Amino acid sequence: GENVEQHPSTLSVQEGDSAVIKCTYSDSASNYFPWYKQELGKRPQLIIDIRSNVGEKKDQRIAVTLNKTAKHFSLHITETQPEDSAVYFCAGGDTGRRALTFGSGTRLQVQP
Amino acid sequence: GAVVSQHPSWVICKSGTSVKIECRSLDFQATTMFWYRQFPKQSLMLMATSNEGSKATYEQGVEKDKFLINHASLTLSTLTVTSAHPEDSSFYICSARVGAGEQYFGPGTRLTVT
Repeated sequence: GENVEQHPSTLSVQEGDSAVIKCTYSDSASNYFPWYKQELGKRPQLIIDIRSNVGEKKDQRIAVTLNKTAKHFSLHITETQPEDSAVYFCAGGDTGRRALTFGSGTRLQVQP
Repeated sequence: GAVVSQHPSWVICKSGTSVKIECRSLDFQATTMFWYRQFPKQSLMLMATSNEGSKATYEQGVEKDKFLINHASLTLSTLTVTSAHPEDSSFYICSARVGAGEQYFGPGTRLTVT
């Protein structure tokens, strides 16, 4: 099955700086890689996703890159704001019936 | 669109009793729903895949007789925790697949077994 590893487990940045979270996956059949943001006590919210037919996707301050050869993908948040503070999860899976496999999560803290 | 609801949001029950949690897709039909549990400060762990009209597929180590899953319609899946024990206390979250892979999560149910 799929195995997704995520680093770092915690990340503290100053407001306005960039934050990068990295994930690796093991199953070459995976073709869908979403990122979720989870605030304390709340549901995970999909913030961006990327499919294996593209290498990069951007949505305002958030971007995701995918390297299929190396089996790793990364989340980039620019111009961080205090409201970006949350736990971020990467996940990997396919667009068929298989469930997603989640990384262990990164607790991002943006210092004002 | 792609709204998933879950009920109840919070439940306390006594050890040995059963608890039913509902997961509904409000504005779309979901042939596949997923049930996860999440312990404090940990990631989401898949418990089972719920397929409409067929038996659920359980992950290794998840007792199917303890965690009963029923997916009776395209908009409703239920998880029943039978003979609950304190170690079953956790945050249970369902998700529904939309289109080509996207999953949207319900708000979660916090179960406390005393």
